[in-house]
Amino acid sequence: EAAVTQSPRNKVAVTGGKVTLSCNQTNNHNNMYWYRQDTGHGLRLIHYSYGAGSTEKGDIPDGYKASRPSQENFSLILELATPSQTSVYFCASGGQKDTQYFGPGTRLLVL
Amino acid sequence: GDSVTQTEGPVTVSESESLIINCTYSATSIAYPNLFWYVRYPGEGLQLLLKVITAGQKGSSRGFEATYNKETTSFHLQKASVQESDSAVYYCALGDNNYAQGLTFGLGTRVSVFP
Repeated sequence: EAAVTQSPRNKVAVTGGKVTLSCNQTNNHNNMYWYRQDTGHGLRLIHYSYGAGSTEKGDIPDGYKASRPSQENFSLILELATPSQTSVYFCASGGQKDTQYFGPGTRLLVL
Repeated sequence: GDSVTQTEGPVTVSESESLIINCTYSATSIAYPNLFWYVRYPGEGLQLLLKVITAGQKGSSRGFEATYNKETTSFHLQKASVQESDSAVYYCALGDNNYAQGLTFGLGTRVSVFP
């Protein structure tokens, strides 16, 4: 069965600190995605990747970087975290013309 | 840009009643949008409920149905008789043919089914 895992599941960070959210998939999918979800918004796409070494900007990339060092792993990096980045973050993977499979989410609180 | 609008929740229904969650979309950058319903049950992750990739077709899963109507740009989700286990948050979404550039989601509709 398709599996996407995220770590950590919960994170408290301080303003100005660096935060790295990790995602691992065992689906051998080429495409991976990072979304955030906030009250009053649906899931919004931050960054995505077509494969190892590739990162692309989504709809709301400002303040975020992404890294795809391998087929399995896709990280979201907040170099200088701000309270406005408090949110729930979801990672997903998908093959071409394939359903996206989502991870369980990471709750991030930036104080 | 692309957008999805769906019924604003929360929606409360009694067991065995019918349920409809409206979804309309605007796909300005996608010539042939594919449409999805995702669901998140309490304590679980987001999972695909059903998808339809061809206009005019109907998708179904777990007693839910949705028809892709290109003329009205709608993809309403319906179930004739809900159960308490259908309590969840439902998301309508659209994507391009390859899904490569991610999906555009609606806000989600929280549905609570009471016995």
